[in-house]
Amino acid sequence: EVQLVESGGGLVQPGGSLRLSCAASGFTFSSYWMSWVRQAPGKGLEWVANIKQDGSEKYYVDSVKGRFTISRDNAKNSLYLQMNSLRAEDTAVYYCARDNWDYYYYMDVWGKGTTVTVSS
Amino acid sequence: QSVLTQPPSVSGAPGQRVTISCTGSSSNIGAGYDVHWYQQLPGTAPKLLIYGNSNRPSGVPDRFSGSKSGTSASLAISGLQAEDEADYYCQSYDSSLSGGVFGGGTKLTVL
Repeated sequence: EVQLVESGGGLVQPGGSLRLSCAASGFTFSSYWMSWVRQAPGKGLEWVANIKQDGSEKYYVDSVKGRFTISRDNAKNSLYLQMNSLRAEDTAVYYCARDNWDYYYYMDVWGKGTTVTVSS
Repeated sequence: QSVLTQPPSVSGAPGQRVTISCTGSSSNIGAGYDVHWYQQLPGTAPKLLIYGNSNRPSGVPDRFSGSKSGTSASLAISGLQAEDEADYYCQSYDSSLSGGVFGGGTKLTVL
């Protein structure tokens, strides 16, 4: 079964850091681009970042550039999101998703999400 | 403010047909990039509903259909059922952002 399981969320103070992880199983992780997508409480979906199969290309939404870093470890079938200088507006459920570029471009598998709360 | 524009809400009675619109611009839908749709049931993660404008993943009923024209796209749901009550999001690729963009979401209420 194709599965993505996020972890690492929690409560953090403004200005703090957090590292999210996503464990992939049931497919060849190293063959896919991967993304992080977030959803603030009561709000819509927002694409955050994605990373190429070998990690050589990474793209970010403007609001997180310079603060968040996406990475992956293909040997561990894992995706990461290092979040620094966190702000209240980063409070959201963060979803890990598998990218598909067959039809330019969408997310065909989603995890259940991990909740990040930025508050003092 | 989402890059793609959707109506905040739509509603319909069981058995009826509803459509949800999604409007973009020349850097995303209008540039020829495909449109995709996701269904998010209350308290759950999004699920891919339509990909490549009009294709359904395995397991998605043919009551759901998608189309695209110019800078807009539409999701149609026919034979409405109570379990269709959910939030629906359109998504495309934006060349100016080099990433994915979503609509603000549409809440479907089955009356």
